[in-house]
Amino acid sequence: EPEVTQTPSHQVTQMGQEVILRCVPISNHLYFYWYRQILGQKVEFLVSFYNNEISEKSEIFDDQFSVERPDGSNFTLKIRSTKLEDSAMYFCASSTVLANYGYTFGSGTRLTVV
Amino acid sequence: DAKTTQPNSMESNEEEPVHLPCNHSTISGTDYIHWYRQLPSQGPEYVIHGLTSNVNNRMASLAIAEDRKSSTLILHRATLRDAAVYYCILRDFQGGGADGLTFGKGTHLIIQP
Repeated sequence: EPEVTQTPSHQVTQMGQEVILRCVPISNHLYFYWYRQILGQKVEFLVSFYNNEISEKSEIFDDQFSVERPDGSNFTLKIRSTKLEDSAMYFCASSTVLANYGYTFGSGTRLTVV
Repeated sequence: DAKTTQPNSMESNEEEPVHLPCNHSTISGTDYIHWYRQLPSQGPEYVIHGLTSNVNNRMASLAIAEDRKSSTLILHRATLRDAAVYYCILRDFQGGGADGLTFGKGTHLIIQP
């Protein structure tokens, strides 16, 4: 079964450093998403991406965050200057163009900011 | 997104059926009912979705009330691997594919051997 692949599985970074989280969505999917989950809390939507531009973003997705699809397969989330409160699991997801299909999520990257 | 209400937790025995309820009294005519689950230390996993009619797939069944104000996810024969947090989420199909999913706290399903 096709999978969404995320790397690395765990990243530790110092406060103030830039970090890039990487995802390879399912190849024939056209919508891409980032979500995060702070330990013990709900899964929160960050951003959706379609046709090489951001479609929707939440209030969490401020100027410190950016997304990019640098080539035909990768989808990245960049945090410019990490804060302690950015520590969370970050999940990438992808879906087909049809709204009545489910998303496929990756297994996540655990980001720890120290 | 319209709001859903689920019990915080439920417990069941292995190899027995499990019925996970969800109330969505403010559902609109264009909302699909989606269910996802999250196993420990994993990303959410799509389970099933429906609009008006009951739905079956290899993972589960979804029973939707006639007025669509509630639904029930049915696991026909629970295994220990089904222990997870189950989320009931409404998704407006008019949103195309760009809309984000709004996760609540879900129901923590505990399976006893």
